[in-house]
Amino acid sequence: AQSVTQLDSQVPVFEEAPVELRCNYSSSVSVYLFWYVQYPNQGLQLLLKYLSGSTLVKGINGFEAEFNKSQTSFHLRKPSVHISDTAEYFCAVRWTGGGNKLTFGTGTQLKVEL
Amino acid sequence: GAGVSQTPSNKVTEKGKYVELRCDPISGHTALYWYRQSLGQGPEFLIYFQGTGAADDSGLPNDRFFAVRPEGSVSTLKIQRTERGDSAVYLCASSLTGDSPLHFGNGTRLTVT
Repeated sequence: AQSVTQLDSQVPVFEEAPVELRCNYSSSVSVYLFWYVQYPNQGLQLLLKYLSGSTLVKGINGFEAEFNKSQTSFHLRKPSVHISDTAEYFCAVRWTGGGNKLTFGTGTQLKVEL
Repeated sequence: GAGVSQTPSNKVTEKGKYVELRCDPISGHTALYWYRQSLGQGPEFLIYFQGTGAADDSGLPNDRFFAVRPEGSVSTLKIQRTERGDSAVYLCASSLTGDSPLHFGNGTRLTVT
């Protein structure tokens, strides 16, 4: 079965430090890739997406992610985090030919500290 | 503008009871999705509607779960004979078309006692 792996369940980081949240998926067939953020007591919000074209995609709030087909990865990065970035981050994959459903990873809790 | 609205926000029910969870998608969105998020997990796909019809219901765990979208707008997720294992946050999402990004509601937290 196709799967999405987020190896880090929690990532603590100091404010203004860089951060990388890792995401790997199981299959090398054509995929669409997404990162969602979930703030406490709120719904999931789309941060960014890769559908085709440039492998480096930029999203909201200064986040970016790079699609690496050979490593089947789509890691999320931000050069300098802020306290307000504290949230749960989910990587999601839609496999072409697999319908419209998204398969999500288990999430990474980013905790930004002063 | 108005986002995806889910009601109730919280639902507590006893084991064996029947529950209905409602989703109001963004106006004009033809695609509607239900996901379930258990504690410590990512959302898991349940069912996808394109218009009034269920285009993919492969994620429904068993025949106790059923969803409808009779007029192509509001959807109701129905769970019969609830079990404690059904406790989770049920998320609804809608998109303009089947290929567009999903917009999620805040979810309904279902607790089965």
